[in-house]
Amino acid sequence: DAKTTQPTSMDCAEGRAANLPCNHSTISGNEYVYWYRQIHSQGPQYIIHGLKNNETNEMASLIITEDRKSSTLILPHATLRDTAVYYCIVRLRTNTGNQFYFGTGTSLTVIP
Amino acid sequence: EAGVTQFPSHSVIEKGQTVTLRCDPISGHDNLYWYRRVMGKEIKFLLHFVKESKQDESGMPNNRFLAERTGGTYSTLKVQPAELEDSGVYFCASSRWDRPYGYTFGSGTRLTVV
Repeated sequence: DAKTTQPTSMDCAEGRAANLPCNHSTISGNEYVYWYRQIHSQGPQYIIHGLKNNETNEMASLIITEDRKSSTLILPHATLRDTAVYYCIVRLRTNTGNQFYFGTGTSLTVIP
Repeated sequence: EAGVTQFPSHSVIEKGQTVTLRCDPISGHDNLYWYRRVMGKEIKFLLHFVKESKQDESGMPNNRFLAERTGGTYSTLKVQPAELEDSGVYFCASSRWDRPYGYTFGSGTRLTVV
C-alpha cells in the first residue's frame, strides 16, 4: 500500500544538479508531498514540502507535476555531504493530526 | 538546543522478552511521534502524542506494543513480548506544533529480536 515509489539508488557528480524523482499517482487533493533525508546513523531531516506549486528553499527545489502524480527533488549543486537516503513522503491529514507515508527512499551517492 | 534523544541506540533481545525504548523530545515540544522501519519495509507511523494524551494511535501494530508519555515529557515504547518481526529501527520525532516541516527526528533505536 505504498503511496510513493522511488528509484532505489542514484549517483551524481559533485557540483552537478541531483534530480530525484518520485511517483505518487494515488495522491489526494489535500495531501502534501514532503522530502526528508537521512544521513548515515542520524534521524530523517526535513528538506522541503509542497502541495501543487513548485517550491524552493536554501537546500533544494521541489517540482510537482500539474496532475500531482509525480514530483522531483532538485539539489542544485550536489556536494559530498549530500550523500544520503532521500525519502519522498505523502502527508495525510486526519481528524486527529498528521501522518507521514514514507517511500522506500533513494540512496544518493555524490561522487567526487 | 538539544535534539531528540533516543536510547538505547541498539538493543538485542530474545524472542519473548520485554524491551522498553525511550524518547526524550526537544524541551517544549508538545507533539511526539513514534515511527518504525521494519526490515525491508518503509518507515511507518505508529502513534502521536499531544502532551500526555494519545492523539492518534492508529499505526500501533498490535497490543504487544504500549506507548506512554507520563507528564507530557519523555515517552516510552514497550514491546512485550517481543517477536522476531518486531526487529527494525524505531524513530521518535517531536515538534512544537503539529506541522510536519517542524518535525525533528531522533537517531532511532535499532531493535534486534533473536
